[in-house]
Amino acid sequence: NAGVTQTPKFRVLKTGQSMTLLCAQDMNHEYMYWYRQDPGMGLRLIHYSVGEGTTAKGEVPDGYNVSRLKKQNFLLGLESAAPSQTSVYFCASSYARDTQETQYFGPGTRLLVL
Amino acid sequence: GNSVTQMEGPVTLSEEAFLTINCTYTATGYPSLFWYVQYPGEGLQLLLKATKADDKGSNKGFEATYRKETTSFHLEKGSVQVSDSAVYFCALSDTGDKIIFGKGTRLHILP
Repeated sequence: NAGVTQTPKFRVLKTGQSMTLLCAQDMNHEYMYWYRQDPGMGLRLIHYSVGEGTTAKGEVPDGYNVSRLKKQNFLLGLESAAPSQTSVYFCASSYARDTQETQYFGPGTRLLVL
Repeated sequence: GNSVTQMEGPVTLSEEAFLTINCTYTATGYPSLFWYVQYPGEGLQLLLKATKADDKGSNKGFEATYRKETTSFHLEKGSVQVSDSAVYFCALSDTGDKIIFGKGTRLHILP
């Protein structure tokens, strides 16, 4: 099992450009999450999905959109990138809704917006 | 709302020293509590968890006990190694579908 993979690993964008980050998991997990990690801020939840075809807003959803067309994939889109979106982005997945459930994380995507 | 507060770092220790990283929480109900670890250049991975009061989670020599009376879940290890250098996140399961993470504590272990 590859677990959770993220593409790309690193990207540089200019302000106003768009891009899509791809997250894939091969564990048949229902739940998937997108976080951003910034110095001194910990992890903040952007959007999440509780199953194929569903999405929901997290703590910091503005400027991002997501789609979950297939159970194994969760896409994060930036329509018009801003320097404030410079961050490290992590995708995670978990099997089901359960307060005991562990989240499995991908290796991260480092995004720099100039 | 629910929240997690953990000690700010960085924490610097010598190899074989005793480690404590403090974590306290605010929550309604009975959340599960977690410690995640992030090694340099990697994503987070679960270190240990506890699902009810007085439970002790343990893994790789690390331990943490779910203390409801003090709303705490402090991480401890008796003898740290250089390979334990990482960022440690305390977290709790929120109502609904999410986990709330603390801001992280960076740990440096000197040989």
